[in-house]
Amino acid sequence: DAGVIQSPRHEVTEMGQEVTLRCKPISGHNSLFWYRQTMMRGLELLIYFNNNVPIDDSGMPEDRFSAKMPNASFSTLKIQPSEPRDSAVYFCASSRGSALNSPLHFGNGTRLTVT
Amino acid sequence: QKEVEQNSGPLSVPEGAIASLNCTYSDRGSQSFFWYRQYSGKSPELIMFIYSNGDKEDGRFTAQLNKASQYVSLLIRDSQPSDSATYLCAVNQNTGFQKLVFGTGTRLLVSP
Repeated sequence: DAGVIQSPRHEVTEMGQEVTLRCKPISGHNSLFWYRQTMMRGLELLIYFNNNVPIDDSGMPEDRFSAKMPNASFSTLKIQPSEPRDSAVYFCASSRGSALNSPLHFGNGTRLTVT
Repeated sequence: QKEVEQNSGPLSVPEGAIASLNCTYSDRGSQSFFWYRQYSGKSPELIMFIYSNGDKEDGRFTAQLNKASQYVSLLIRDSQPSDSATYLCAVNQNTGFQKLVFGTGTRLLVSP
């Protein structure tokens, strides 16, 4: 089991540029989550997919953020245009099923710095 | 009021002692509760979960849940320096699907 794979591990970009973060969930997991972590706000859920369908995107900060899951093994989180306040660690997580006690398995995260 | 509250710490305990980490939550309909450990620069990893009132033990870890008081705790017995990390409490709100809300975490320091 390779775990949840995220890329890139680090991303440094200038304000206004487009940023795309990628995630490959664990094979067989049908729920996928994107979280953002900052010192001030902790871990915040941005969007949740179940069976490739977005279920809840209420945590997406604004229209600059978008997420897709074209198939069961790949998801992207895009920020366009990026701003310095978007600097954070972005985690992708997956779980098997949507049961309320299904644990989340996190990827290693992408540390985004917007200058 | 934050949905999930934790004392940020740091909580300092000597090696071999019991570390007690606490968490309160605001949504009375919450159904399941998770404890994650996060080492600096790493991703959160699941320690254990609980969804029934009472205690649940797993090795050196015990989770305690009191839904009436909206309170979850994690006890770590025989604390080791390798337990030094940030401990995140997560609550699954009663939304019909798995939506985990995390606290900001308590930093634990175990001194040799």
